Amino acid sequence: AQKITQTQPGMFVQEKEAVTLDCTYDTSDPSYGLFWYKQPSSGEMIFLIYQGSYDQQNATEGRYSLNFQKARKSANLVISASQLGDSAMYFCAMREGRNTDKLIFGTGTRLQVFP
Amino acid sequence: DTGVSQDPRHKITKRGQNVTFRCDPISEHNRLYWYRQTLGQGPEFLTYFQNEAQLEKSRLLSDRFSAERPKGSFSTLEIQRTEQGDSAMYLCASSWGQGNEKLFFGSGTQLSVL
Repeated sequence: AQKITQTQPGMFVQEKEAVTLDCTYDTSDPSYGLFWYKQPSSGEMIFLIYQGSYDQQNATEGRYSLNFQKARKSANLVISASQLGDSAMYFCAMREGRNTDKLIFGTGTRLQVFP
Repeated sequence: DTGVSQDPRHKITKRGQNVTFRCDPISEHNRLYWYRQTLGQGPEFLTYFQNEAQLEKSRLLSDRFSAERPKGSFSTLEIQRTEQGDSAMYLCASSWGQGNEKLFFGSGTQLSVL
C-alpha cells in the first residue's frame, strides 16, 4: 500500500482564489510527522508547513494551512489567496515513527494559477 | 545567505562510467540527506548523515552507490558502473538538530546515463 497518496495529478485555480490539495497517508505508528513541500520549475524543494501527529491544532504558515483529519488519515494543504508564483509541483510527505529521519513523499500535484 | 549547494547541476555520462556528486550543506547544519527523484515521482530517500556518521541507508542504495561526509561538512555521492536506470535528479538537503522538520534542499544534480 502507498504510504502517501496524492490523487490529484493537476489542479487549476484562479488568482486570489483558495485551493485545496489532497493528501492521504497510511501508517500504524502513532508518532509521525506530515509535511508539504513546493517544487518550482527550478527544481529546489521548498518547505511549506509541518503537522505532528500529536498536534491538537491544524498548522498554519501565512497563506498555507494544513487541514489535518487524523481519523481519516488526511492532511490536505489549503492555499488561500493564490498567486501566480504559487504555480509549481506540491508534494506531501511523511516521517513515520521516532527512529527515522526519512521522509516518504507522494507523487505530487501540479498546481497552475491563472490570472 | 548561502543555501544548500550541489555540483554539478547536470551530468551526462556513458553507461558503465563512475560519477561523483558533491553537496555543500548550510554551514551550521549537522544533518545531511540524499534523495533521488525520477520524472513524475516524488523524491525517494537514499541516505542521511548526522555530522560524519551515516545513520540510515535505503535499500535503494545498491552496492554501486556510496556516500561520504568526511569531517561532517560537505558530502559526496558516488555511483559506480552507472546504468541507464540511474538517470534521475539527485537532491541533497540539510537540517539542524534531531528530526528537525524543515529540510533545506539544493537545486539538485540531473544525471543522464546514455
